[in-house]
Amino acid sequence: DIVMTQSPDSLAVSLGETATINCKSSQSVLYSSDKRNYFAWYQQQPGQPPRLLIKWASTRESGVPDRFSGSGSGTDFTLTISSLQAEDVAVYYCQQYYAAPITFGQGTRLEIK
Amino acid sequence: EMQLVESGGGSVQPGGSLRLSCAASGFMFGSYWMSWARRAPGKGLEWVAIIKEDGSEEYYVDSVKGRFTISRDNAKNSLYLQMSSLRGEDSAVYYCATLSLTGIGGRGFFDYWGQGTLLTVSS
Repeated sequence: DIVMTQSPDSLAVSLGETATINCKSSQSVLYSSDKRNYFAWYQQQPGQPPRLLIKWASTRESGVPDRFSGSGSGTDFTLTISSLQAEDVAVYYCQQYYAAPITFGQGTRLEIK
Repeated sequence: EMQLVESGGGSVQPGGSLRLSCAASGFMFGSYWMSWARRAPGKGLEWVAIIKEDGSEEYYVDSVKGRFTISRDNAKNSLYLQMSSLRGEDSAVYYCATLSLTGIGGRGFFDYWGQGTLLTVSS
């Protein structure tokens, strides 16, 4: 199975600042035939279900603010949240869908400093 | 508006059984792969089971194989998860979600989630 490892496990960032969350996969999730990274980011706010933020490593889902951006390729990926707002407090998960079984990272808890 | 509403959660003793349901509305349910995922207390997300649009393919995480069965009734716009031989480690909030399929073996990302239903397995 592909292991997804997120860092840090938690972080606290001031309102208006930028939060950066990393995810590393144990093998590449870049499919050579279509040059796409089979990788997604999710947000789970307190008491809410998960929400798909980004698919294909960098494609924002409809309705997701452009403060959220995804980058990276192969085995190393980053979720960047700029101009942090109070509603961004959540646990963020990465997921690979390159190989079965699909796997998630352990989650990163984002708080306001 | 797409809506997924889970029900059937509750408290069960170890070794017991329970069936979760998910009522779908606002979209062509029969055209979507569907899934169950869970989040145990203090733990991360884990997918549990996936089923093809017509129910002809099913996939399970290793920890539930042989104990859980996913099924669907497209005429009723409903998804189910029959759970048996329940263990403490099955305690979690269970979510119903649509799966955008990207490859064989039930690979894809989860693009819409219900609010979840809580299962507690305890004596």
